[in-house]
Amino acid sequence: GAGVSQSPSNKVTEKGKDVELRCDPISGHTALYWYRQRLGQGLEFLIYFQGNSAPDKSGLPSDRFSAERTGESVSTLTIQRTQQEDSAVYLCASSFETSADNEQFFGPGTRLTVL
Amino acid sequence: AQKITQTQPGMFVQEKEAVTLDCTYDTSDPSYGLFWYKQPSSGEMIFLIYQGSYDQQNATEGRYSLNFQKARKSANLVISASQLGDSAMYFCAMSASYNTDKLIFGTGTRLQVFP
Repeated sequence: GAGVSQSPSNKVTEKGKDVELRCDPISGHTALYWYRQRLGQGLEFLIYFQGNSAPDKSGLPSDRFSAERTGESVSTLTIQRTQQEDSAVYLCASSFETSADNEQFFGPGTRLTVL
Repeated sequence: AQKITQTQPGMFVQEKEAVTLDCTYDTSDPSYGLFWYKQPSSGEMIFLIYQGSYDQQNATEGRYSLNFQKARKSANLVISASQLGDSAMYFCAMSASYNTDKLIFGTGTRLQVFP
């Protein structure tokens, strides 16, 4: 079956522009996560969805970042007024349900470059 | 706060030899999970192995085993019979069952396998 997909794979934008990143989780996975990976670093948690609600937004770095999920499926991460420090790979992951032993399946990521 | 520490930024190992990648963690949650992911140069995150905090036995998956020492709060990854294809970044991560199961990642270890 299909894995987690993300689009676009690469995005180059100018400072100050808004960008939208899309994630299609594995069908039937109720939990969806967004992470950010800066060059040469580990992954930082951004936001988590259970169904369509986001009970944990603690990782969003500023109010320029927002995310939504519809139909317990597709999720969109929006970054407004992008800054150069937003340049990173944004990874989406999904899992069947939340419990400590559920493997998260990762998408290939979107590489965002802010000029 | 939960934290994962990987103290080895880089490791070298000769093909067919075993290698241990270190990981220590800190948490006050009584129930948690520990994960190892592999990230090749292509960027995808590949799940390798999982250990639950209440598991009595160390987890094993093929050539991967997790040396879990709960009292020392360590969860080292052992790769036996290294292969050239094992060259990649390796991330240790932790989730907790009492929150959203977001993964907290370490900074990673770059493993290079040489012939």
